[in-house]
Amino acid sequence: QVQLVQSGAEVKKPGASVKVSCKASGYTFTSHYIHWVRQAPGQGLEWVGIINPSGGDTGYAQILQDRVTMTRDSSTSTVYMELSSLRSEDTAVYFCARDIVVTAAHNSAALDYWGQGTLVTVSS
Amino acid sequence: QSVLTQPPSASGTPGQRVTISCSGSSSNIGDNFVYWYQQLPGTAPKLLIYRSNQRPSGVPDRFSASRSGTSASLAISGLRSEDEADYYCVTWDDSLSGYVFGTGTKVTVL
Repeated sequence: QVQLVQSGAEVKKPGASVKVSCKASGYTFTSHYIHWVRQAPGQGLEWVGIINPSGGDTGYAQILQDRVTMTRDSSTSTVYMELSSLRSEDTAVYFCARDIVVTAAHNSAALDYWGQGTLVTVSS
Repeated sequence: QSVLTQPPSASGTPGQRVTISCSGSSSNIGDNFVYWYQQLPGTAPKLLIYRSNQRPSGVPDRFSASRSGTSASLAISGLRSEDEADYYCVTWDDSLSGYVFGTGTKVTVL
């Protein structure tokens, strides 16, 4: 069965960086885009970005594009989301999610499988 | 502040029909597919609608959606207690070159 398993909770100081992992299983890793979505405590959902595990190409939310980097390791079927220069406003649960659409086609926002979420807390 | 506006709350009694709106612009809803998600407390979102009006397998046909101009809507008919959740619309925004989520609507079953 399809599973996305994320790394554990992180506590970081302002200005630091965090790298969250998302390990995929149960399907061909390179066949589906992976998105990252975050949710601050008590707030709504916010799209962070997308990675194509096949070619490694990425797309980021404009407000984060200077600080976020998404990478993948095909040998371990894992994607990573790194966020730098952390601020208190980055405190949120970060989810990875699989796009229904295969990487041979244009991506979508139809996310059928989600990771369990990783809480990133930024506090001095 | 999101470019997609939803009402903060909506409510109904069991069996009623509830509609949630999602208002955008020509650079997002007006030109792209809309997707809808349901999020129960403490859980990851669940896909309800894709390509503006398509339901994934397993989603009850009580959930339906439409898009007209720069707005979209999600309807829940035959409201049930388990429908009490937060609902979000999402679409691509051509100006931002990224996906944008709506502000979210909390549905309460009275």
